[in-house]
Amino acid sequence: DAGVIQSPRHEVTEMGQEVTLRCKPISGHNSLFWYRQTMMRGLELLIYFNNNVPIDDSGMPEDRFSAKMPNASFSTLKIQPSEPRDSAVYFCASSTGTGTGNTIYFGEGSWLTVV
Amino acid sequence: AQSVTQPDIHITVSEGASLELRCNYSYGATPYLFWYVQSPGQGLQLLLKYFSGDTLVQGIKGFEAEFKRSQSSFNLRKPSVHWSDAAEYFCAVGGNNDMRFGAGTRLTVKP
Repeated sequence: DAGVIQSPRHEVTEMGQEVTLRCKPISGHNSLFWYRQTMMRGLELLIYFNNNVPIDDSGMPEDRFSAKMPNASFSTLKIQPSEPRDSAVYFCASSTGTGTGNTIYFGEGSWLTVV
Repeated sequence: AQSVTQPDIHITVSEGASLELRCNYSYGATPYLFWYVQSPGQGLQLLLKYFSGDTLVQGIKGFEAEFKRSQSSFNLRKPSVHWSDAAEYFCAVGGNNDMRFGAGTRLTVKP
């Protein structure tokens, strides 16, 4: 079975440019997560969708970040405009159900460098 | 509030030696506990999880973890480490949007 699929795997962009990260969750999973991983802050939950609806976006750092999930098989995380401090690994993850204890399955990440 | 502490930032063991990675948690109710592994340049892969029942949990790649409620711990163990086990290991508590990850322990394996 295919896991969580993310694209691009690597992106280098200039400050001020728009960045769009894409994610295809595991088929049948109805919860989707975007995480950011940095050396300084570790893994941070940015936003959580359930049944395509954003449930918790309290982790989104600022208005430059936005996320959408137009259907059950696709989500995007957009940064506009990008800044060097946005350089990080962005993980998409998915799970079944909504309760605590559901296993979260991660994609391989999108490695973003903003110069 | 729930939280996870991994006291060891970096551990080095010799290949073939035993391994124990420590994890302490704080959680108000029955904890759901996980161990993930992250190889360089990769995403996080689930090693094992504990929800209830037997406190000794077996996972993939020969790993196991023991839940000790009295110590609020969920330590990861492996009797004989292989060079391919070199990676970052994350303990986590909760689940879904309530998942809290530890800071991770980086494992180096010496030949």
